[in-house]
Amino acid sequence: AQTVTQSQPEMSVQEAETVTLSCTYDTSESNYYLFWYKQPPSRQMILVIRQEAYKQQNATENRFSVNFQKAAKSFSLKISDSQLGDTAMYFCAFMKQSTGTASKLTFGTGTRLQVTL
Amino acid sequence: NAGVTQTPKFRVLKTGQSMTLLCAQDMNHEYMYWYRQDPGMGLRLIHYSVGEGTTAKGEVPDGYNVSRLKKQNFLLGLESAAPSQTSVYFCASSYSLSEQGSWGQPQHFGDGTRLSIL
Repeated sequence: AQTVTQSQPEMSVQEAETVTLSCTYDTSESNYYLFWYKQPPSRQMILVIRQEAYKQQNATENRFSVNFQKAAKSFSLKISDSQLGDTAMYFCAFMKQSTGTASKLTFGTGTRLQVTL
Repeated sequence: NAGVTQTPKFRVLKTGQSMTLLCAQDMNHEYMYWYRQDPGMGLRLIHYSVGEGTTAKGEVPDGYNVSRLKKQNFLLGLESAAPSQTSVYFCASSYSLSEQGSWGQPQHFGDGTRLSIL
């Protein structure tokens, strides 16, 4: 079974600064996908970024980028130019590549990010 | 385009009562999922479905039943509610490999149902 660990329960960053959220995972699979989801106070689950394990290039979506280290099983999220709207709970999630079954996600316990003025 | 819609958004039950949570998606996704979110524990998979008429157990299935009679709907039932089932419930859906032609399709989530059992 896969496990996902987010070791930072809470973090704080000032507006316009950069912050990095950590995520590590444990798996024996070689083909898989990693995701970061954002959950603002509105409770919605919003996809932030997706990474294919077979790609060495780190995924980027505007101010959001990841540092994917496959050998270390690490998948950190970097938020640049932080904005007040980035205040949310952030979840790291793992999906293994499987045939014939649903694409199930295994979530970490989340990191609560507070962006301050 | 509504995406994934969950009904109701909030409900209070007494121990022993039953209820059904409804999830509807309009994206024609093959796969659907039910999760529960508890403080400090992230989201955990309760049940999932790989297509109309099929369901399977996830990580925490005890005390819940599901049905997928139509492709767009996925129902989660509590037959005899217990205080331990107090949680926020999320439904999600995603494309299958055969639908999209590639692996690793992201899941799209509803807005959640806050369920309190007294």
